[in-house]
Amino acid sequence: SQTIHQWPATLVQPVGSPLSLECTVEGTSNPNLYWYRQAAGRGLQLLFYSVGIGQISSEVPQNLSASRPQDRQFILSSKKLLLSDSGFYLCAWRGDVALAVDTQYFGPGTRLTVL
Amino acid sequence: RKEVEQDPGPFNVPEGATVAFNCTYSNSASQSFFWYRQDCRKEPKLLMSVYSSGNEDGRFTAQLNRASQYISLLIRDSKLSDSATYLCVVIGGGGFKTIFGAGTRLFVKA
Repeated sequence: SQTIHQWPATLVQPVGSPLSLECTVEGTSNPNLYWYRQAAGRGLQLLFYSVGIGQISSEVPQNLSASRPQDRQFILSSKKLLLSDSGFYLCAWRGDVALAVDTQYFGPGTRLTVL
Repeated sequence: RKEVEQDPGPFNVPEGATVAFNCTYSNSASQSFFWYRQDCRKEPKLLMSVYSSGNEDGRFTAQLNRASQYISLLIRDSKLSDSATYLCVVIGGGGFKTIFGAGTRLFVKA
């Protein structure tokens, strides 16, 4: 069965510090991968999605970036965090689009607080 | 207009009640529709897919109305454990763009 991991679970960082969040998926190959952010009391905002290694699409302009160095690894980064980057960061995977499977499954999330 | 809109609630209902949520979407080319459930400070989890013919899973029934561009979720015989935020999800053209509604909060009380 497929599983998705995210770490760390919780993170407190000062403004201006760098960020690296990691997401890995097991039990599937060539997944579509997604990074979302959920601000407190708000809906999910799609930040990035990736259909393959090295292929990243950005949905919103921001000071975050994403990379996919391996098929089942998705990394979210920032060089300098802003207060507004605080939120609940969720990684999700979805099967091969060619198989017409649309359902996304989420990792446990990372709760980031920028002070 | 938001691409996916939901009534934020909260809906406060007694145990055993029937409650319905609606969600409207703006892109007529949208392909797939889902309801997710999110408990407080947890990740969203798939509740059910939504098909044009309607689908039922136990106490939950989902419907899609393409002509009016809305989907609905009906919960019968509400349980305390149904208390959560229910997210409407729409996947757009090309199959990549996924849009989540802001969610509807449900509180079921004894």
